Amino acid sequence: EEQLVESGGGFVQPGGSLRLSCAASGFTFSRYWISWVRQAPGKGLEWVANIKRDGGEEYYVDSVKGRFTISRDNAKDSLYLQMNNLRAEDTAIYYCVRESPGSYYYYMDVWGKGTTVTVSS
Amino acid sequence: SSELTQDPAVSVALGQTVTITCQRDRLSTFFVSWYQQRPGQAPILVIYGRNDRPSGIPDRFSGSRSGNTASLTITGAQAEDEADYYCSSRDSSYNHNVFGSGTKVTVL
Repeated sequence: EEQLVESGGGFVQPGGSLRLSCAASGFTFSRYWISWVRQAPGKGLEWVANIKRDGGEEYYVDSVKGRFTISRDNAKDSLYLQMNNLRAEDTAIYYCVRESPGSYYYYMDVWGKGTTVTVSS
Repeated sequence: SSELTQDPAVSVALGQTVTITCQRDRLSTFFVSWYQQRPGQAPILVIYGRNDRPSGIPDRFSGSRSGNTASLTITGAQAEDEADYYCSSRDSSYNHNVFGSGTKVTVL
């Protein structure tokens, strides 16, 4: 079974840091772009960042640029999100998501169950 | 980057047909994918590409596109289809993904 399992969420004060992890299984991790998508309480989905198959390219939503860093270790089938200088508005469930390629498009076909990050004083 | 606009909510009688739309802010050739999220659960992919369904997704779900508007249609809505539905697209220029604001579907 193709699976993504997130971990590392928790409670942190504003300005603090947290590192999320995502473990992949059931598919060849290194063949896929992977994204982080978050959902604030009672709100919609927001794409946060993604990383190319070999880790050579990273992209971020403007609101996290300079604070969050996405990375991967293909030898360990793992994805990470280092979150620094956290703000209250970063409070959300964070999902690890696989992006699969079609012809001139991508779609997100495997989702983890998510890990919850709460930023509060 | 582009924005995707969805109606906040729609309702449909059990067994009837409902269409959800997703409008892009600029004319272009694009594909959206559609995601269903039931309360308390992670999203799942229901439609991608021109009109493809992952295995396990019922054929009452279908997708279409006209100009800068994509649509998800549920033909013969069931009680279990009550959920939030999001469209998403990836900007090929910037490799950024964007989600619509979501549409809450209520099955009456």
